[in-house]
Formats: sequence, C-alpha cells, structure tokens
Amino acid sequence: KNEVEQSPQNLTAQEGEFITINCSYSVGISALHWLQQHPGGGIVSLFMLSSGKKKHGRLIATINIQEKHSSLHITASHPRDSAVYICAVLIIQGAQKLVFGQGTRLTINP
Amino acid sequence: EPEVTQTPSHQVTQMGQEVILRCVPISNHLYFYWYRQILGQKVEFLVSFYNNEISEKSEIFDDQFSVERPDGSNFTLKIRSTKLEDSAMYFCASGRDRAYNEQFFGPGTRLTVL
Repeated sequence: KNEVEQSPQNLTAQEGEFITINCSYSVGISALHWLQQHPGGGIVSLFMLSSGKKKHGRLIATINIQEKHSSLHITASHPRDSAVYICAVLIIQGAQKLVFGQGTRLTINP
Repeated sequence: EPEVTQTPSHQVTQMGQEVILRCVPISNHLYFYWYRQILGQKVEFLVSFYNNEISEKSEIFDDQFSVERPDGSNFTLKIRSTKLEDSAMYFCASGRDRAYNEQFFGPGTRLTVL
C-alpha cells in the first residue's frame, strides 16, 4: 500500500479554471511538501506545510493533520502551470525521510 | 539567484562500471540530499547528509552507493558497480537550515546503464 496517494493522476483543464490536486497519506508526518516537476525533469519546491494554509501568488496549499490530507489549489490557471505536481511527506516513524507521491500530471489548455 | 548545479546532465555507462555524479549545492546550505527517479516512477529518497556524515539512508542506498563532500563545495554520489536497474534520473538537493525544510533541487543527472 502506498503511504502517499495523490488524486487525480492526470488532470486537463482550460486556462482560467480553478485547479485542485489532492494528497492523502497514511503515516504520521511532521511536514508535507508540494513540489513542481517541469517537463524537462527539473523539480522546484513550492510549499512546506506542517499545519494550516500557505499562499504564494496563485498557489494555495492546505493541510488537515487530523484527516491526513492536503490540497494544492491553483487559481486562474495558465498553460505555464502545466507540470507534474508532487506531494511528499516527512515521516516521523523510524528514520526521518521524505516519501513521495506518484505525482499529478496537470495540463492547462489555452 | 543561487542554484544547485549537477554534472553531467547525462551519463551513459556500461554495466559494472563505477560512476560519480557531481553536485554543487548552494554555498551557505548545510543539508544535502540525493534522490532518484526511475523513468515513469515516483521520486525516491536515497540519502541525506549533514555535518560531513550521512544522516539517513533508504533501503535503496546499499553498499554499492556512497556519498562524499570532498572539498567543501562538491557533493558526490558514487555507484561502485552499476546495474541496469540503476538507470534513472538522480537529483541532488540542498537546504539551508533545519533538516527537510525547504529544499532546492538541482536539474538532475540522467544515468543510463547499458
């Protein structure tokens, strides 16, 4: 069983739409990261959350520790937002390490 | 803006050969990481490094792997005897303060083992 599950796996939307990507996890964590992987493979860190909500530009990330769930929202989506969005959790059982979800491939059409 | 760099961008090697993947982390960062991503699969943690020693390593990071910070600027990942299944994209990352706080990723090295 995967410790981190993302949904949907693929998402296609029109420019301007509001986007939500979900991440659920089954283990105890101390923090959760949202990352963006560009088509060329490069990875950029978007957010690190341990509680509540963070906002950066058109991106909003929320986490509910009790429900073991996080969401990444993109407002006024744009074709340049097209990428793979990855959720990764910092587990607190045993050795400290990041465990990654499988990613959500987002395509924004003009 | 400072960035993490990795060389080479693509390395092709024969099975059984040793490879060294190089990373130059951001200069004032203290925490260093290697990850790998097999084509079409998710990113996997390999190892974290702090204060000149390994902090954590995953089950993947067996005796074939080693890391080193030889000169205070480079951070290397060595695979002693490559296997076909080592073919992957290898990412280096560095972080400034607390372990696993915001990490800055390098562009990756694509390793192809023939």
